[in-house]
Order: sequence, then structure tokens, then C-alpha cells
Amino acid sequence: EAGVTQFPSHSVIEKGQTVTLRCDPISGHDNLYWYRRVMGKEIKFLLHFVKESKQDESGMPNNRFLAERTGGTYSTLKVQPAELEDSGVYFCASSQLNLGADTQYFGPGTRLTVL
Amino acid sequence: AQTVTQSQPEMSVQEAETVTLSCTYDTSESDYYLFWYKQPPSRQMILVIRQEAYKQQNATENRFSVNFQKAAKSFSLKISDSQLGDAAMYFCAYREPNTGNQFYFGTGTSLTVIP
Repeated sequence: EAGVTQFPSHSVIEKGQTVTLRCDPISGHDNLYWYRRVMGKEIKFLLHFVKESKQDESGMPNNRFLAERTGGTYSTLKVQPAELEDSGVYFCASSQLNLGADTQYFGPGTRLTVL
Repeated sequence: AQTVTQSQPEMSVQEAETVTLSCTYDTSESDYYLFWYKQPPSRQMILVIRQEAYKQQNATENRFSVNFQKAAKSFSLKISDSQLGDAAMYFCAYREPNTGNQFYFGTGTSLTVIP
């Protein structure tokens, strides 16, 4: 079974540019999560999809971030325009259920560098 | 908001020896879940071990075990017979069963295994 995949693995852009990150969850997983880790800090929750609906987007930093999950399969996270503080590693995770004990399966992350 | 603290940014252990990674958390809840995730270099995060707060017995997975002290809000990870493949970043995470679906992560501990 394929795991959670993310593309690209690395992205280097200049301040003011736009970047789109993609996440493909494990097939059949309705729940998809985005997290971000800024260098040296904790991994922070951004948002949670159940199928194509946003269940919780309380962690989104501001309106420069737009997440979509059309069709309830893969998801994209667009940053427009990017700022220096957006640099970090963006993780995607998916889970089959939406229970506290349920394991979230993580992708390898996308390392975003904004210059 | 719940906080998870990993006070050891870096740890090292000799191959075949035992190492303990510390994690403390802050919550007013009585029911929750705790996790340890491992992220090897340039690879995705994988679940190492999980503990339900209502269980008094410490979780164990082969060479990995936890010391869960609910009153002290402590959740340390013990790795026995350390192997080179254990070298990774280890993240402690907390999750509540009903209020929201996100994980709260610590800042991580980078473990080096010395041959």
C-alpha cells in the first residue's frame, strides 16, 4: 500500500511569489491534515479535511494560505504571496477514521524556503 | 491550548545501549492520547508507539516502551538495545478524543546512535 506522498520535496522561492504544495493521502483515507514545522520549533496544525470539506482550519496563519481538496482525494496548499516567515517544512497526514486513538500517517514533508 | 515539551533537543546513545527521551505535556483533560513519532533523515514520520491515558499499563512495542506518569504529565520513551536505524528525530504528540482532531507536538529530540 502506498503511503502519503507529497510534492515537491523541496521548494525555493522568492518573497512575493506563489507556491503550491500537493499531498496525496493513502487511498481510502477520508481525513487529511496539514501541519507545518518552522525551523527548531514544534510541528503545528494548520487544517483538517474530511473528504472535500474543511473540518477545522483554525491553524491557518492568515489568508495568504489556501487549502483545497477537490473531489476528496489529493489536496493542495497554496501560499500567495509567500513571505519569509512561511519558510519551514509542511507535512501532510491522513487517517481513515477521525478518532482520538486513530493513527495519522504522515508524508515526508515539503521543505519550503522563502528568500 | 495544550502544550507538549521535549526538553532534550539532542541525545546520543551507544549502539546496543538504552536511551530515554523525555516528554511532558500540559492538559486539564483526563482522557487523551499520547504518541511518539519518529522521522528518519529525509524520510516520512512513522508512529513508534501510542498510549491511551485511561490505561495504567505502559505501552510497549518490541524495543520501544514508554513510562507514562499521568499525575506528573510525563510520557518518556525508552529505546532498548539501540540500533543504527533508530537514529532519527523523535516527536512526542498529544491528542484529545473529542475536541478537535489535531495533534499537539513537541519540538522534537534528535537522536544519534554511535556505532
